[in-house]
Amino acid sequence: AQSVTQLGSHVSVSEGALVLLRCNYSSSVPPYLFWYVQYPNQGLQLLLKYTSAATLVKGINGFEAEFKKSETSFHLTKPSAHMSDAAEYFCAVRGDAYSGAGSYQLTFGKGTKLSVIP
Amino acid sequence: DVKVTQSSRYLVKRTGEKVFLECVQDMDHENMFWYRQDPGLGLRLIYFSYDVKMKEKGDIPEGYSVSREKKERFSLILESASTNQTSMYLCASTTDRRVNEQFFGPGTRLTVL
Repeated sequence: AQSVTQLGSHVSVSEGALVLLRCNYSSSVPPYLFWYVQYPNQGLQLLLKYTSAATLVKGINGFEAEFKKSETSFHLTKPSAHMSDAAEYFCAVRGDAYSGAGSYQLTFGKGTKLSVIP
Repeated sequence: DVKVTQSSRYLVKRTGEKVFLECVQDMDHENMFWYRQDPGLGLRLIYFSYDVKMKEKGDIPEGYSVSREKKERFSLILESASTNQTSMYLCASTTDRRVNEQFFGPGTRLTVL
């Protein structure tokens, strides 16, 4: 079965500092991986996705993530944090969990809340 | 842009009431999903549908049912609401079952008193 572990339920960084949000996954098949962002009282918005092309993936708002198969990781980074980055971030994997009718299940991590200190 | 809308942003109901949460998407997506989101637990799949009138149970279907009479609309039904169903409910859709990149609605925060 597939799973996602996000290290750190809360992360605080200073404005202008590096943002690093960690995600490790398990899957018995080559995974597809996603990072979503959720602003307060809103739905989830896709930041970026890995679908077996380039291992370094660039997303919106200056975020990027690197797929490392040997480490089963897909950490999210941004060189310089902005106040508007304060939100909750979810890592998700589409792996080997088959939901039927040709559909593979997405499994989400428990989320990391990012705070940005002025 | 894909748009997924949910009928209510906030909803307050009483224990035992029947509750309907509606979700509509405008991009002709075949697949639609209902999740609940609770602090510290992330998103958990309740039900999903891959076609009109088709549905499959997710990880936590107990206490819920769904209806998909039209392709664009997917309803979540709480037959008899209970306090432990107080949560944020998120609807999502996708047209690509293989990759399963999902597009989310804004969510409905349901409180059951």
